[in-house]
Amino acid sequence: DAGVIQSPRHEVTEMGQEVTLRCKPISGHDYLFWYRQTMMRGLELLIYFNNNVPIDDSGMPEDRFSAKMPNASFSTLKIQPSEPRDSAVYFCASSLRRANTGELFFGEGSRLTVL
Amino acid sequence: GNSVTQMEGPVTLSEEAFLTINCTYTATGYPSLFWYVQYPGEGLQLLLKATKADDKGSNKGFEATYRKETTSFHLEKGSVQVSDSAVYFCALSGSQGNLIFGKGTKLSVKP
Repeated sequence: DAGVIQSPRHEVTEMGQEVTLRCKPISGHDYLFWYRQTMMRGLELLIYFNNNVPIDDSGMPEDRFSAKMPNASFSTLKIQPSEPRDSAVYFCASSLRRANTGELFFGEGSRLTVL
Repeated sequence: GNSVTQMEGPVTLSEEAFLTINCTYTATGYPSLFWYVQYPGEGLQLLLKATKADDKGSNKGFEATYRKETTSFHLEKGSVQVSDSAVYFCALSGSQGNLIFGKGTKLSVKP
């Protein structure tokens, strides 16, 4: 059974460019989470969806960040325009039910470098 | 708000040494507590969990006990192996269905 699939695994881009990160959750999972990991701030929750609907986006750092989930099997996180401080590893995770009773399954992450 | 504080690393041990990674939390209500592990180049994966006070989670020789009186969930292993080298994250369940993570503790085990 495939796990959470993220693409690209690595992205190097220049400041000002648009970046799109993609995630395919585990089939049947009804929650999807986007996290960002940096040395300074650790793991931060950016946004999460329940049944494709955004529930909490208070962690999205600013308007340059947007996330969508057009269907149960696909989500995107977009940064436009990108800045060097956006450099981080972005993780997507999915779960079958609320995380306080269940387990989050993480993808391998997308490492973003903005020059 | 809810938060997790875990000991800063890195932690370097010799093989077969005893491991403790401290984790304390601040929360309203009665959250579930988790330890996740991240091996190099991989995403996080659940190591163990406990859902109520005095519960002990265990997996792969690791243990942690949910201590409400000390608001702690320390991770322990009696004899570490080189293959245990990874980053360990303590986490608690948030009020909105998310997980709140500590900053992670990097463990290096030398042969």
